[in-house]
Amino acid sequence: ETGVTQTPRHLVMGMTNKKSLKCEQHLGHNAMYWYKQSAKKPLELMFVYSLEERVENNSVPSRFSPECPNSSHLFLHLHTLQPEDSALYLCASSQGTGEWYEQYFGPGTRLTVT
Amino acid sequence: AQSVTQPDIHITVSEGASLELRCNYSYGATPYLFWYVQSPGQGLQLLLKYFSGDTLVQGIKGFEAEFKRSQSSFNLRKPSVHWSDAAEYFCAVGARGFQKLVFGTGTRLLVSP
Repeated sequence: ETGVTQTPRHLVMGMTNKKSLKCEQHLGHNAMYWYKQSAKKPLELMFVYSLEERVENNSVPSRFSPECPNSSHLFLHLHTLQPEDSALYLCASSQGTGEWYEQYFGPGTRLTVT
Repeated sequence: AQSVTQPDIHITVSEGASLELRCNYSYGATPYLFWYVQSPGQGLQLLLKYFSGDTLVQGIKGFEAEFKRSQSSFNLRKPSVHWSDAAEYFCAVGARGFQKLVFGTGTRLLVSP
């Protein structure tokens, strides 16, 4: 699967660090998503971008800051995280958000906050 | 608000045996329903989806699912499981008009020889 790529695949960071997760889609899609997958919890939608505008912010703490510079790239900037933020962060993309389109997922970034 | 329940956390099935994974949803209208599979170290892959019409939907890898409105269920089935089917399976419901997926907690499938 190379449609949606995520880097890095693994990240260990301290609570005072600042890091960024990167997602790139090669599918020509117009919408991109960040999800958080924690152990024993359902996937949680964090942010949705449609045509580079944020259309959903699902009550995510401000220590997570998304950025979508163009329709192919999505970033998640991280700062002063907490240990409970350790999780798998998944990026997804879809053709759009108006009708229902299949979401294609990347492999995720495994984040550990120490 | 939508919600999804997958009552089985783990299921073990012998290779070649049939499989059924349960999914119950809560949503006020006719939902969009999905099954995704996640192999270790991988993202989620869509197996199949139900939007409307025929309540029995076919997906990839030999999977099918049946939408039963009266039971608010969308169970996933496969007649003969292969060792490569071992993975985690997620049921999800989507609200019409916006691409917001609500996922269940997943069912981990183990396949024994």
